[in-house]
Amino acid sequence: DAGVIQSPRHEVTEMGQEVTLRCKPISGHDYLFWYRQTMMRGLELLIYFNNNVPIDDSGMPEDRFSAKMPNASFSTLKIQPSEPRDSAVYFCASSPGTSAPTKNIQYFGAGTRLSVL
Amino acid sequence: AQSVTQPDIHITVSEGASLELRCNYSYGATPYLFWYVQSPGQGLQLLLKYFSGDTLVQGIKGFEAEFKRSQSSFNLRKPSVHWSDAAEYFCAVGSVRSSNTGKLIFGQGTTLQVKP
Repeated sequence: DAGVIQSPRHEVTEMGQEVTLRCKPISGHDYLFWYRQTMMRGLELLIYFNNNVPIDDSGMPEDRFSAKMPNASFSTLKIQPSEPRDSAVYFCASSPGTSAPTKNIQYFGAGTRLSVL
Repeated sequence: AQSVTQPDIHITVSEGASLELRCNYSYGATPYLFWYVQSPGQGLQLLLKYFSGDTLVQGIKGFEAEFKRSQSSFNLRKPSVHWSDAAEYFCAVGSVRSSNTGKLIFGQGTTLQVKP
């Protein structure tokens, strides 16, 4: 399996622009997670899905952030409008979700480094 | 509330020396425990995991970790560090409750620097 695939790897945009980050989870995985990593706040869980349904979005910082999972093989995280403080590395992870222990094993993508100027 | 503490933000060891990274957790019952490693510019990779049974678990790249219930700890060890081990290491806990959501709680990470 190719693992979790994220695109783009790097994104540079100007303040106020819309940014869309993409994620393809590992085939057969039921859970998908979006994280944000910064030096100041470390690794933060933004939102996660189970079988394409958002379960917990309490980590989404504000209404400018939205995430969708239209099918089992694709998810997007959108920021509109973007702000300089959104600059971070955004990770997508997926997990099998077949039984309690394996449900917790998350496999991470390589991340998208976002710079908002 | 569940929490994970990695007391050491940054550790420097000489190549060939032994390594121990500390992890303490706060949880009402035995959680599932994990160590992940993040190399520069990469995502997190699972090093090892503890679910139940033998409290000493072996992982990839020669790492091991020991679960100590009495100390609520899950420290990561390696007998001889290689320069390629320089990375950031994250401890994480997951829920063993029946309503397991699959979420993980991550520590703040420990950055390992290896001196030649």
